[in-house]
Amino acid sequence: DAGITQSPRYKITETGRQVTLMCHQTWSHSYMFWYRQDLGHGLRLIYYSAAADITDKGEVPDGYVVSRSKTENFPLTLESATRSQTSVYFCASRDLSDTQYFGPGTRLTVL
Amino acid sequence: GQNIDQPTEMTATEGAIVQINCTYQTSGFNGLFWYQQHAGEAPTFLSYNVLDGLEEKGRFSSFLSRSKGYSYLLLKELQMKDSASYLCAVTRRQAGTALIFGKGTTLSVSS
Repeated sequence: DAGITQSPRYKITETGRQVTLMCHQTWSHSYMFWYRQDLGHGLRLIYYSAAADITDKGEVPDGYVVSRSKTENFPLTLESATRSQTSVYFCASRDLSDTQYFGPGTRLTVL
Repeated sequence: GQNIDQPTEMTATEGAIVQINCTYQTSGFNGLFWYQQHAGEAPTFLSYNVLDGLEEKGRFSSFLSRSKGYSYLLLKELQMKDSASYLCAVTRRQAGTALIFGKGTTLSVSS
């Protein structure tokens, strides 16, 4: 299917566990982004990637790791999950007109 | 630094017109997006303004004044399905044009 997908859609984990959130896009967009959305803060940028093997930090990168070995995939890993990382995570990719398109989101709960 | 302000909540009735304002102070400003987000869903693209002026797209219009750091989203002939959060976001020439979001305006449309 064309577009941008995320998995899992819902995840419950425990403090200290490693969690990886997956993002896949079929448009071959160069730029991809990870945001988190929390009440009272809006959407905040975690990491972004300009192309395969090129990544950079956003506003709130601490506690997260990203990789991008292929253009279509941009996984986000929480190395040791904390309760403050309970949030809704959105992946996005950007087309040539600078418009970003968002995946359906992953709702993560850290107990 | 970056600062984006928009009202937290607005209410309106079916068939009415509503204007959602957004003011911003952003270094290296490039353009301004409006996204719509229904509860529990991903943000979806509504409009993108780079130049000053009004862009009309069906029932929705968006206006930008770069000199005043001001934008508004105008929704005409409101329908119940327009009840959602409306997110103002700016892009900068740096940082791979990642979006910087305001906290969003929750619009409630009643009959």
